[in-house]
Amino acid sequence: GQQVMQIPQYQHVQEGEDFTTYCNSSTTLSNIQWYKQRPGGHPVFLIQLVKSGEVKKQKRLTFQFGEAKKNSSLHITATQTTDVGTYFCAGDGDSGAGSYQLTFGKGTKLSVIP
Amino acid sequence: DAGVTQSPTHLIKTRGQQVTLRCSPISGHKSVSWYQQVLGQGPQFIFQYYEKEERGRGNFPDRFSARQFPNYSSELNVNALLLGDSALYLCASSLRTYEQYFGPGTRLTVT
Repeated sequence: GQQVMQIPQYQHVQEGEDFTTYCNSSTTLSNIQWYKQRPGGHPVFLIQLVKSGEVKKQKRLTFQFGEAKKNSSLHITATQTTDVGTYFCAGDGDSGAGSYQLTFGKGTKLSVIP
Repeated sequence: DAGVTQSPTHLIKTRGQQVTLRCSPISGHKSVSWYQQVLGQGPQFIFQYYEKEERGRGNFPDRFSARQFPNYSSELNVNALLLGDSALYLCASSLRTYEQYFGPGTRLTVT
């Protein structure tokens, strides 16, 4: 079955430093999504990438989708304490029309030291 | 607008018992998905329902079942509970496409 691997598992950064998490799929994805889960909370949708080589930005967050549509990355510039949480990538292997069977990575837990 | 709601918030069951978890999607959302999240792991897909039909099923045993009602709310049933079923069960709804809105989850503890 499809597997989505995410590294690193944990990342501790000083406030103001940059942060990057990487996601790799064992199979080609139709699209990839990124979610953020605050401690004690539930996953919140951040973005979806669909096209090969796509790059999208949301303020300090930059998302990339690889050319082969098997890997992705999330980069945060100048982290803030509000960025604390676990970041998950989730791949959709296109399991069928109208079906969105997402495979989540294990997540990268980000800690920001003030 | 209200977000996705789930009930109960917490639940404690003993091994062998059965449990029913409930989910109400965002108004107008016709798709509901269920996920299991074990501590320290990402959510794992269990089921997806769209317009009351099962559209996807993850790698879970037949002890897990679900259904969607005409008002698009959904129930997840787990029979013959095992200790390993202890987890946060998340429900997510979506309008039609990709963006999934997660509920707060039900924390199930099996003793």
